[in-house]
Amino acid sequence: GAVVSQHPSWVICKSGTSVKIECRSLDFQATTMFWYRQFPKQSLMLMATSNEGSKATYEQGVEKDKFLINHASLTLSTLTVTSAHPEDSSFYICSASGGGPLHFGNGTRLTVT
Amino acid sequence: GQQVMQIPQYQHVQEGEDFTTYCNSSTTLSNIQWYKQRPGGHPVFLIQLVKSGEVKKQKRLTFQFGEAKKNSSLHITATQTTDVGTYFCAGPPSGNTPLVFGKGTRLSVIA
Repeated sequence: GAVVSQHPSWVICKSGTSVKIECRSLDFQATTMFWYRQFPKQSLMLMATSNEGSKATYEQGVEKDKFLINHASLTLSTLTVTSAHPEDSSFYICSASGGGPLHFGNGTRLTVT
Repeated sequence: GQQVMQIPQYQHVQEGEDFTTYCNSSTTLSNIQWYKQRPGGHPVFLIQLVKSGEVKKQKRLTFQFGEAKKNSSLHITATQTTDVGTYFCAGPPSGNTPLVFGKGTRLSVIA
């Protein structure tokens, strides 16, 4: 079945630094990928829709200058958390569809100290 | 905007008991999807329902899509400890819009 690979699975960084998270579709092409954020015991909140070759579409309340999304190819989207702060600590999950239901990456647990 | 509500938020059952979670959308959905997330894991797709009134079964799991395409339910018969996790419903208002997830129902099963 369709596989989405997300890397890294966890990262600890210092406040003020930037962190890049990669999301790859391994066996299908994804013109659209989605980035979600999940706080402990909460639901998945859509942050942005990543569009291959064009700008991402951000949800209301999500700072596009803080959460930089790049979708340079049909199989790779990256999310960069810039100038991270402790409140950015969360579980970030990407997902992609090959035309059917969403397939999720394993997620990245970000801890900002 | 579209809201997807899910109840109950938590459910504790004895192994062997049945379990049901309900999903209601503020708008008509083009389809409804169900995902399961194990503790510490990522959501995994279970099923998609498209037609009004559709019912689908997967072993002990029964999924239903309402006639108005605004509500759905997931019923598990004779729960097992492997059923533990959070069950999310999700639906797009139209085919091209991103999925909106319900808050999920966290199921714990006591052996």
